[in-house]
Amino acid sequence: DAGVIQSPRHEVTEMGQEVTLRCKPISGHNSLFWYRQTMMRGLELLIYFNNNVPIDDSGMPEDRFSAKMPNASFSTLKIQPSEPRDSAVYFCASSLASGGNNEQFFGPGTRLTVL
Amino acid sequence: GEDVEQSLFLSVREGDSSVINCTYTDSSSTYLYWYKQEPGAGLQLLTYIFSNMDMKQDQRLTVLLNKKDKHLSLRIADTQTGDSAIYFCAESRDDKIIFGKGTRLHILP
Repeated sequence: DAGVIQSPRHEVTEMGQEVTLRCKPISGHNSLFWYRQTMMRGLELLIYFNNNVPIDDSGMPEDRFSAKMPNASFSTLKIQPSEPRDSAVYFCASSLASGGNNEQFFGPGTRLTVL
Repeated sequence: GEDVEQSLFLSVREGDSSVINCTYTDSSSTYLYWYKQEPGAGLQLLTYIFSNMDMKQDQRLTVLLNKKDKHLSLRIADTQTGDSAIYFCAESRDDKIIFGKGTRLHILP
């Protein structure tokens, strides 16, 4: 198994541009999580899905952020318009199910720089 | 507070034991975890402990849980250069896992 796949690995864009981050979870996993990691705030949960349905998006910072999961093998996180303070590493993770007894498998992350 | 707390940095000499400490907040957490993040990579589950246990040992790793004080620790025996990474303490809360900010372990020669 290839593990969780994220693309792109690095993204550099200018303020105001739209950014789309992509994630392919591990096949057979029913839960998908989007996290953001910064030095200042650590690892923050943005949103998670169970069976392609968004369950909790309370961590999404503001309306500029949106996430979709159109099918079990693909999810996107979109920022429109992007701002310099959005610069961070964005991780996608998947697990067999949500709940604390299910190990989360993380992708390698997308390092986003907004100039 | 609502945060999982851990110190940000730890330096240890190669061959010594490393002890990383953490306090968590939810006394009903069923699982407590340690995840490891190597440079340029995502987090990987290192070990976990069920809340009805007070110790778990796995080769060089020892996890201690003090449920009364909501304190979790990770001991790495005979620390090696390959142990250099960020270690995240985490607790299960509802359907989510809440992570601390991570402790960066630096190995001195």
